[in-house]
Amino acid sequence: DVKVTQSSRYLVKRTGEKVFLECVQDMDHENMFWYRQDPGLGLRLIYFSYDVKMKEKGDIPEGYSVSREKKERFSLILESASTNQTSMYLCASTGFYEQYFGPGTRLTVT
Amino acid sequence: KQEVTQIPAALSVPEGENLVLNCSFTDSAIYNLQWFRQDPGKGLTSLLLIQSSQREQTSGRLNASLDKSSGRSTLYIAASQPGDSATYLCAVLRSARQLTFGSGTQLTVLP
Repeated sequence: DVKVTQSSRYLVKRTGEKVFLECVQDMDHENMFWYRQDPGLGLRLIYFSYDVKMKEKGDIPEGYSVSREKKERFSLILESASTNQTSMYLCASTGFYEQYFGPGTRLTVT
Repeated sequence: KQEVTQIPAALSVPEGENLVLNCSFTDSAIYNLQWFRQDPGKGLTSLLLIQSSQREQTSGRLNASLDKSSGRSTLYIAASQPGDSATYLCAVLRSARQLTFGSGTQLTVLP
């Protein structure tokens, strides 16, 4: 079974802090994704990566950056967290077609 | 720009009923369509994947159909159970393996 894990289930940070969200997959997938999910707005793609050290902006990249130094690990970085980044963050990976999701990180920025 | 719509937003049915969830998309040039289940506060679990060349896929009590020409997919759940209560999301694969999601249908199956 494909396993996608995320470093934290719940996270509380203060405005202005630098925040790292980490995602690890164990299926040697080339493609990895970061989404955020908000009530009424659904899932929106922040960034994705199709190879080590490669990244592409999704639909809402502002305020975020990413890092992919190893194939299995994809990190989402909030350089200076703001309250409007309070959300559920979901990581996913895909081999050929099917996307597999992690359990999500509920981030609250106060 | 691809848009995915799911109607209804919420559905409540008694246990044992068969039900249909609907998904429509505006651009028929898709690679595949995927149905997911999401329990409250959790990640997404993939239920069924239909390739663009396929018409339907089945897994247990679930059957998903795809009509690309009309931009529609349905998820049929047979003999619903309280454990089926969750939010169901459909997503279409556009280029570069990017999914576009619908807003979901929140299903409640009453015992």
